[in-house]
Amino acid sequence: KAGVTQTPRYLIKTRGQQVTLSCSPISGHRSVSWYQQTPGQGLQFLFEYFSETQRNKGNFPGRFSGRQFSNSRSEMNVSTLELGDSALYLCASSPGGRQRQETQYFGPGTRLLVL
Amino acid sequence: AQSVAQPEDQVKVAEGNPLTVKCTYSVSGNPYLFWYVQYPNRGLQFLLKYITGDNLVKGSYGFEAEFNKSQTSFHLKKPSALVSDSALYFCAVRGSSNTGKLIFGQGTTLQVKP
Repeated sequence: KAGVTQTPRYLIKTRGQQVTLSCSPISGHRSVSWYQQTPGQGLQFLFEYFSETQRNKGNFPGRFSGRQFSNSRSEMNVSTLELGDSALYLCASSPGGRQRQETQYFGPGTRLLVL
Repeated sequence: AQSVAQPEDQVKVAEGNPLTVKCTYSVSGNPYLFWYVQYPNRGLQFLLKYITGDNLVKGSYGFEAEFNKSQTSFHLKKPSALVSDSALYFCAVRGSSNTGKLIFGQGTTLQVKP
């Protein structure tokens, strides 16, 4: 099976702009989670989607949003970008049926630089 | 609240020697614990997990982890380190209730010297 794919891999934006990142999960996986990785804060959970519904949300401002499509592909959007949004954004997928026991498989990430 | 601690920012070992990367956790209820590895400019790769059962869990690339309930620890081990094991290692615990959320430790950089 193909792994989790994320596009684009690298992105440079300026403050105030908005950005959309895309994630395609492993075939058959219905749960997609997003994480932000920064040197200062480490890995932090953004949100999780399952069957097109947000199932869980982390402690991030409303500028961060996401959605999931019927084919389980997911997008996350960050509006009004701030310098502190510069990070590696990681997407992870899992089958979704038994969340606590399931392994999440991560994509290569999208590295966002906000200038 | 669930939490994970990795007390060492960096671990250095010589190639061929055993390695240990430490992790302690705090959870309410049964712990679901994971180890991931991250190479530069890459995503996280799954190594192993503890759900229930044997306290010694075997995973990918010769890694294993020992679950110790009384010490609330889940240390990652390998009997003989390789230079190629040099990377950033993350311990994670599953969030509470019915959720896919993972809570990660701060990570430990492993350096294996030739």
